[in-house]
Parts: sequence; C-alpha cells; structure tokens
Amino acid sequence: QVQLQESGPGLVKPSETLSLTCTVSGGSVTSGDHYWSWIWQPPGKGLEWVGSFFGDGSGRTYYSPSLKSRVTISADASKNQFSLKVTSVTASDTAVYYCARHVYGHGLDSWGQGTLVTVSS
Amino acid sequence: DIQMTQSPSTLTASVGDRVTITCRASQSINNWLAWYQQKPGKAPKLLIYKVSSLESGVPSRFSGSESGTEFTLTISSLQPDDFATYYCQQYNSFPWMFGQGTKVEIK
Repeated sequence: QVQLQESGPGLVKPSETLSLTCTVSGGSVTSGDHYWSWIWQPPGKGLEWVGSFFGDGSGRTYYSPSLKSRVTISADASKNQFSLKVTSVTASDTAVYYCARHVYGHGLDSWGQGTLVTVSS
Repeated sequence: DIQMTQSPSTLTASVGDRVTITCRASQSINNWLAWYQQKPGKAPKLLIYKVSSLESGVPSRFSGSESGTEFTLTISSLQPDDFATYYCQQYNSFPWMFGQGTKVEIK
C-alpha cells in the first residue's frame, strides 16, 4: 500500500520561498500511470489543486493558473520523492499542504497527512 | 477552465436520513468525477471515482450518479461516522478543480 509523507518548514517568512518534499513509499514516482500532486487548503477553507506531474518520465507537469507563475513541482526518482516550491509567499499562502497520488482515471486515492505552513515574519 | 459548483454548502441531517449532495460542472467532464470525504484535521479520503465507482473499503451506503453535467453523491442512510465535509473534483482536464465543499452536520 502506497504511503506519502510531507516534510518541510512549518514557518516561512513573507517574500521567501516555501519548499516541501513528499516522500513516497510502497510505490514509485516513476510509475507511468500516476499523477503525483499537491493540493492545499487554507485554514477553514476548501481544497485547491496546486499542480501535478505525470510519472512516465515525460516531464509533463501541470499547474493551477492562479499559482503557475510562482510554483514548481519536481521529482527526485533516486529518493522516490517529489517536491513543491512556491516563491514570493504571502500570508495568503498559509495553508495545509497535501501531497497525493492520482492513479490514471481513478482519482486521488492516496494522500499524505498534510503539513501546515504558516507565512509570517 | 472547468468550474465545479457544489451545493448545498451546509446540510443538517439526522442519523438514518437519506442525504444528497450535488455538483454541477460548467461543461462536459466525460464522467471523470470523484467524491472525497474529509474529517477535521485529516486528509481527504476518496469515496467514489468515475462518477459511480466505489473505492475499495467504502460502505455501500455511498453512491454516485450523473445527469449530464450534474453529479450527485447520495448517502442512503446517514451514519454517525458520516458527519464530515464532502468535496467533488473533476479530473477530465487540467486545471483539476474541486467543488466548494458540503459540510454535513448533525441535526
């Protein structure tokens, strides 16, 4: 059974870069029919998709239009991890960040526990 | 971009009630729709994918259906464990989009 675990700083200063890592066990970030994804949830609000990359090695990566200019998702196959970077953060980027796996056509079937990132000086 | 409009935002019901949550897509999503359940402080859990396919281990009281671009999650007999927030999500095309969520509360 695949497991995902987010890690990274819980506090980031405004204007800096937020960096999170998702470590995958029981599955591979190079699986050809999986999208590895980030979703965020501001406190008290709903879920918002941040972006996904396709695990087939093509490099295909997709981002939310509202975040595209500030977000990068990348993978490290040697560590079986994928990461999220959000640049120039503001208080509105304060959220619980989840990493998740989407099996093609099946939905987001496995999620990390989520990690709260607070943007504050 | 495809927009997902979910309703109601809050639903108050009693144990044993039949509950229906609706999600409307702004255009065709070819039935690529999922439903998730989220409890406070927890990650979302996949309940249903491709409109009506039940995820393994999910009780059969949960079901999904569609009529054109309107999608419905039904809980046939609400149980105490079902009080939570529910989200729909389209994954037909990027950007993927979640509905705004429906909080199911105890009457």
